[in-house]
Amino acid sequence: SQQGEEDPQALSIQEGENATMNCSYKTSINNLQWYRQNSGRGLVHLILIRSNEREKHSGRLRVTLDTSKKSSSLLITASRAADTASYFCATDENMRFGAGTRLTVKP
Amino acid sequence: GAGVSQSPSNKVTEKGKDVELRCDPISGHTALYWYRQSLGQGLEFLIYFQGNSAPDKSGLPSDRFSAERTGGSVSTLTIQRTQQEDSAVYLCASSLGGPRTDTQYFGPGTRLTVL
Repeated sequence: SQQGEEDPQALSIQEGENATMNCSYKTSINNLQWYRQNSGRGLVHLILIRSNEREKHSGRLRVTLDTSKKSSSLLITASRAADTASYFCATDENMRFGAGTRLTVKP
Repeated sequence: GAGVSQSPSNKVTEKGKDVELRCDPISGHTALYWYRQSLGQGLEFLIYFQGNSAPDKSGLPSDRFSAERTGGSVSTLTIQRTQQEDSAVYLCASSLGGPRTDTQYFGPGTRLTVL
């Protein structure tokens, strides 16, 4: 099974709203990473959070990690139409990616 | 600097033919990864190279798939006797160190279509 499992599978919001995506994993990790994939623009790394960190920020992105629950969340604040993409999480253990969350931000 | 490059960008082949996909990682990156992504799906890990260590081949779906990395740099993914279910985008990534410490940088992918 996939190591990183994202939910929801799809999310549709209005521009300016916040979007929250979740990721669950099964084994112990050293780090967890979030990636974005726009159609036609490839896969881009967003943020890496280490197992000893609980929260990390990068611009409008906020990632949390709860190792006791083996879960992470990605929050995008003040969303923009350009944030429309699929978002994936991956852990360093086995480098498995989940199926992703498809985010649509409507202008 | 230059990112990860892959060639060809598109490959159309007939069922039963062999194909070779190439990946040029970022210079100095010791780790190299191959994934494939079917339409609308997530990434499926195929194989991972780290320095001079034996590669992690645990994701290769069958013995028709093989990969090598020459001189610790360029990698070639070979698919023998292609099948229609091999049709997918094949993505290569590299990182400075291993996945436990470093970000993976992805190439643009090779879209493989098996007729």
